[in-house]
Amino acid sequence: KAGVTQTPRYLIKTRGQQVTLSCSPISGHRSVSWYQQTPGQGLQFLFEYFSETQRNKGNFPGRFSGRQFSNSRSEMNVSTLELGDSALYLCASSSTSNNEQFFGPGTRLTVL
Amino acid sequence: KQEVTQIPAALSVPEGENLVLNCSFTDSAIYNLQWFRQDPGKGLTSLLLIQSSQREQTSGRLNASLDKSSGRSTLYIAASQPGDSATYLCAAVGPYDKIIFGKGTRLHILP
Repeated sequence: KAGVTQTPRYLIKTRGQQVTLSCSPISGHRSVSWYQQTPGQGLQFLFEYFSETQRNKGNFPGRFSGRQFSNSRSEMNVSTLELGDSALYLCASSSTSNNEQFFGPGTRLTVL
Repeated sequence: KQEVTQIPAALSVPEGENLVLNCSFTDSAIYNLQWFRQDPGKGLTSLLLIQSSQREQTSGRLNASLDKSSGRSTLYIAASQPGDSATYLCAAVGPYDKIIFGKGTRLHILP
């Protein structure tokens, strides 16, 4: 079974721009979660989608949004980028059987 | 609000030693507790998952235990090897797959 894939792997943007990141879960997994990882804050939960519905959301501003498609693929969008948005963005998928989380390799976003 | 703490933040041990990494959580209403490994600049690799009804899980040289009543989990690594050097993260999984991570333990195995 293929693992969780994320595209692109690396991204450089400038302040004020917007960015869209993509995540394809493991086949059969319907839950996709997104996380931001920075050296100072560690791993922080952004939001989780299940069957195209956002079930849970972390404490991030409205500039961070996401969606999930009928094939369970998910996208995350960040608008009006700030320097502090530079981070590794990770997505994880899980099945409903035991909630074990499987992570993708991440997208490294650099905001200049 | 769930908080997850990992102690120590960093650890260096000689190759071959057995070691224990600690993880504590404040809210015992968890679905499961998961241990991950992260190599620099990479994603997370799942090591062990302990369901809330279980007490421990084993995989090779790794053994993880869970004590919900005391809010603690430990990861035991036997006969450590240089390839075990990485950051180890524990995560408490709650409703709707909301995961709260600890800040990790950076492990360095000295050859």
